[in-house]
Amino acid sequence: EAQVTQNPRYLITVTGKKLTVTCSQNMNHEYMSWYRQDPGLGLRQIYYSMNVEVTDKGDVPEGYKVSRKEKRNFPLILESPSPNQTSLYFCASTNGPSYEQYFGPGTRLTVT
Amino acid sequence: AQSVAQPEDQVNVAEGNPLTVKCTYSVSGNPYLFWYVQYPNRGLQFLLKYITGDNLVKGSYGFEAEFNKSQTSFHLKKPSALVSDSALYFCAVRESSGTYKYIFGTGTRLKVLA
Repeated sequence: EAQVTQNPRYLITVTGKKLTVTCSQNMNHEYMSWYRQDPGLGLRQIYYSMNVEVTDKGDVPEGYKVSRKEKRNFPLILESPSPNQTSLYFCASTNGPSYEQYFGPGTRLTVT
Repeated sequence: AQSVAQPEDQVNVAEGNPLTVKCTYSVSGNPYLFWYVQYPNRGLQFLLKYITGDNLVKGSYGFEAEFNKSQTSFHLKKPSALVSDSALYFCAVRESSGTYKYIFGTGTRLKVLA
C-alpha cells in the first residue's frame, strides 16, 4: 500500500530536549515536505526537499532542521524545542510539482 | 509573494443542498491549485487540482472546482451535500515554475446538517 508514515504519532517533551520526528514514504517520490498545522493558521511549510541532499526552507523554518540522506526518508529535527513549537506536524511527498501530495497521519507534539 | 485566502472559517449547508467553499489566490506566475480535505484525527487527502486546460475540474467524492483566472479564484463545489462531507477543507497553491513551495489557506470547516 502506498503510504507516508510518521513516528511518533504523539509526543510530549520538555523545553530544550532534542527530538526527531521520522517520515518515510514507499512511493519512490522525489519531493518531500514538512508542515505544521495550527488553529486559525492552516498548514505552513517548514522545509522541503526536491531530492536526496537537496533541501530548502519553507515559510517557517526557524527552530527546525531536516536532512535527506535517502530518497524514502525525511526526518524533522528540533534541536532545542520550545513551547511555541507545540503543534500538529505533517510530512508529505509527491511525484512532482503538478502532482498531488500524499500526507502522513500527523504527529502531535507538545512542548512544556 | 504567494498567498491563499479562504474567507469563511465555517460553512453550514443542509444535506442535499449545493455547497460552495471559497478560495482566492495570488501568485506571480501561472498557478497550480489544489483542494485537500481533512477528516477528524486524520491526515489530509487530495480532492482535486487545476494545472492547465478546462477551467472546471472534477475530483473525488463528487466534488468539482472552477478556476477563474480573472477573479483569481478556485471555489470548491458539490451539487448535493452529504452529512459525510463534513470536514475541514484546505485550498493550496504553488507556482508553476521554481521551487517546491506551497501555500495553504487557513481552512474552511464544512458542516452538513441532516
